Amino acid sequence: DVKVTQSSRYLVKRTGEKVFLECVQDMDHENMFWYRQDPGLGLRLIYFSYDVKMKEKGDIPEGYSVSREKKERFSLILESASTNQTSMYLCASSSSDHAVTDTQYFGPGTRLTVL
Amino acid sequence: GQSLEQPSEVTAVEGAIVQINCTYQTSGFYGLSWYQQHDGGAPTFLSYNALDGLEETGRFSSFLSRSDSYGYLLLQELQMKDSASYFCAVRDGYNTDKLIFGTGTRLQVFP
Repeated sequence: DVKVTQSSRYLVKRTGEKVFLECVQDMDHENMFWYRQDPGLGLRLIYFSYDVKMKEKGDIPEGYSVSREKKERFSLILESASTNQTSMYLCASSSSDHAVTDTQYFGPGTRLTVL
Repeated sequence: GQSLEQPSEVTAVEGAIVQINCTYQTSGFYGLSWYQQHDGGAPTFLSYNALDGLEETGRFSSFLSRSDSYGYLLLQELQMKDSASYFCAVRDGYNTDKLIFGTGTRLQVFP
């Protein structure tokens, strides 16, 4: 079974702090994704990576950066947290072999509150 | 750009059948997926349609009509545990692994 884990389920930070969210997958997937989920807005892609050290901006990258130094690990960084970044953050991974499906496997999420 | 539309909420009673629709606008089409998410949980993959027709997996079925840019998820013999949000998703293009998700349909099943 694919397992995607995230470093924290709940996190409380103060405005201006630098925040690191970590994600690890154990299925040797090439692709990894960071989403944020807010009520009524669905899943919005922040950044994704299709290989080590490779990254691409998603729909809402402003205020975020990412790091992928190893294939299994994808980190989301909030350089200076703001209250409007209070949200649920979901990490996902998928294989680049989408001959059959594009299935993404999600971690349990990190609920971040910025005070 | 790509966009998907689905109803925001659907309600039904235990034992009933419910259909959740999804219409999409895409510059190319590479399959329609469905995901389920319980409150506080992670989205999990339910089904995938690349070709027209019905795909059945137990109590859940998914349908696709590419000519109508339309699909639906059919849930039969509803159970309380089916109360969740359901998202449709399409791939964002041929040379990408990005998915575009709909805003989700919240299904509430009543006894």
